[in-house]
Amino acid sequence: NAGVTQTPKFQVLKTGQSMTLQCAQDMNHEYMSWYRQDPGMGLRLIHYSVGAGITDQGEVPNGYNVSRSTTEDFPLRLLSAAPSQTSVYFCASSYGLVQSFFYEQYFGPGTRLTVT
Amino acid sequence: KQEVTQIPAALSVPEGENLVLNCSFTDSAIYNLQWFRQDPGKGLTSLLLIQSSQREQTSGRLNASLDKSSGRSTLYIAASQPGDSATYLCAALYKETSGSRLTFGEGTQLTVNP
Repeated sequence: NAGVTQTPKFQVLKTGQSMTLQCAQDMNHEYMSWYRQDPGMGLRLIHYSVGAGITDQGEVPNGYNVSRSTTEDFPLRLLSAAPSQTSVYFCASSYGLVQSFFYEQYFGPGTRLTVT
Repeated sequence: KQEVTQIPAALSVPEGENLVLNCSFTDSAIYNLQWFRQDPGKGLTSLLLIQSSQREQTSGRLNASLDKSSGRSTLYIAASQPGDSATYLCAALYKETSGSRLTFGEGTQLTVNP
């Protein structure tokens, strides 16, 4: 298993540009999520999905879109990049909630995004 | 508001010492609590997961405990090694009306000196 993979590893954007951060997992996990990590603020949930075709907002969803057309992939789209979106982005996946137990979450290696 | 706090923010110990990292969380309505390790510039590696109905979990030199009533979890590292140097994060998975939310502490940066 490759686990959770993310591309690209690094990206520099200019203000106003759009791009998609890719996330894929090969563990047949239903639950996938996106976080951003900023100094002094820890990791914060952007969007999550409990299965193909189902997405929902997390704590900091503004400026980001997601879709989940397959179980394996969960791309994060930045519509019009802003300097405030400079951060490290992590994708995570899990089997999710099964009979009142929520399985552990596995994280990808991250994408370091700089918006100038 | 659901919050997770980790104390201390940084810890430096000599090699071989046993140590305890602390995590506290508000609101006991959690599915589980998970401890992660993060090396500089890297992603998060899951260390231990404690379900809300469990009291502790062990993996090698690591032992994590959970006390929901007091809102506390501890990560015990036995016989620390320089390779244990990293940032340790705890995260509580809170139950919500429409799903769940994993809330992270800001981490404890551990340095183990040879």
